[in-house]
Amino acid sequence: AQKITQTQPGMFVQEKEAVTLDCTYDTSDQSYGLFWYKQPSSGEMIFLIYQGSYDEQNATEGRYSLNFQKARKSANLVISASQLGDSAMYFCAMRVASGTYKYIFGTGTRLKVLA
Amino acid sequence: GAVVSQHPSRVICKSGTSVKIECRSLDFQATTMFWYRQFPKQSLMLMATSNEGSKATYEQGVEKDKFLINHASLTLSTLTVTSAHPEDSSFYICSASGAGTDTQYFGPGTRLTVL
Repeated sequence: AQKITQTQPGMFVQEKEAVTLDCTYDTSDQSYGLFWYKQPSSGEMIFLIYQGSYDEQNATEGRYSLNFQKARKSANLVISASQLGDSAMYFCAMRVASGTYKYIFGTGTRLKVLA
Repeated sequence: GAVVSQHPSRVICKSGTSVKIECRSLDFQATTMFWYRQFPKQSLMLMATSNEGSKATYEQGVEKDKFLINHASLTLSTLTVTSAHPEDSSFYICSASGAGTDTQYFGPGTRLTVL
């Protein structure tokens, strides 16, 4: 079964500290993509970072990095130097091929950055 | 990043009426568009995938006669909720992706309230 699991419903982090949001996935596909999105209270989904299954290097985008461990099927998001504006819901998603491709989303992690 | 708009952002309607939600890609050609539904404090649930000029592919359990999807051009897809009822009240989000890319760019969402 293809599935994304986010085991942390909520996380707190002190401003300027780093935080890791966990994501594990399950798929039998050889080719897949992993994504992280941020959803603030306004509801929009903001694309943060992408990791392809064949990418050997961990993806990085500014303060965001993806700790990709293929053998463990994990794709954790690391946010460095947290800011108050990082408080939001974070979703991990996996692109799977099913005829046309589609995304499967995890249940999300609510991050609260403390001043 | 690519920009996707949705209109309206919020709609309140009476039970039994139909509501149309538009999703537009503003600065790229969206070969594929996706429609999601999100209940409060829950993850995104994919409703359907549509490719320009083709019939939408609906996920299991989604009534295609109730949620009509049209993807008439490379920049516009519409979701029509027909004969809406209170249980259809939800946050509806579209996303779009262009040719040759896995990344989906999301619209800001439409909050539908059916009285």
